[in-house]
Amino acid sequence: AQSVTQPDIHITVSEGASLELRCNYSYGATPYLFWYVQSPGQGLQLLLKYFSGDTLVQGIKGFEAEFKRSQSSFNLRKPSVHWSDAAEYFCAVGEEGFTGGGNKLTFGTGTQLKVEL
Amino acid sequence: EAGVTQSPTHLIKTRGQQATLRCSPISGHTSVYWYQQALGLGLQFLLWYDEGEERNRGNFPPRFSGRQFPNYSSELNVNALELEDSALYLCASMRGTYNEQFFGPGTRLTVL
Repeated sequence: AQSVTQPDIHITVSEGASLELRCNYSYGATPYLFWYVQSPGQGLQLLLKYFSGDTLVQGIKGFEAEFKRSQSSFNLRKPSVHWSDAAEYFCAVGEEGFTGGGNKLTFGTGTQLKVEL
Repeated sequence: EAGVTQSPTHLIKTRGQQATLRCSPISGHTSVYWYQQALGLGLQFLLWYDEGEERNRGNFPPRFSGRQFPNYSSELNVNALELEDSALYLCASMRGTYNEQFFGPGTRLTVL
């Protein structure tokens, strides 16, 4: 079964500093990978996705992520963090060939980002 | 384009009661997924509906059930509520098969 590991539960960065959130996955085939962000009391907003092709993907709000098959990683990066980026970030892998089609998501445990002004 | 909507926003029930949660997908999306986000347990896949049928379910007991209507909206029912059912229930919709899922704001269920 697939799994996703986000090793950092909490991360604090200063506004304007760069950010990297780590994500490692375990999956036998080529994964569908996603990063979502959740503000307090809210649903999940998709930041970016990787299905195939270019391993460096660009997302919304200035985020990007790089798929590294050799390291089973899909780390999220942002060159300059804004105070409004404070939220919880979830990495997820979509299971291809999910019975009957579809795309069940397996999520990591999330990384809570705090931004210091 | 309107996003995924869920109702109610908050729901308070007592143990043993039944809860009904509703979800309206984005127009044109035929698949609806339900997830449970419980404290300490993270986001867990609950159920998947597509074209009116339940296609798959996660590791949850049968008292978690639901349905999908002809307009693709969906309902999640939780019977015989237990304290540990307290969680944020998120609904997501998707167009086609292998695509991104778009999430609603969730329903916060509290079981007393």
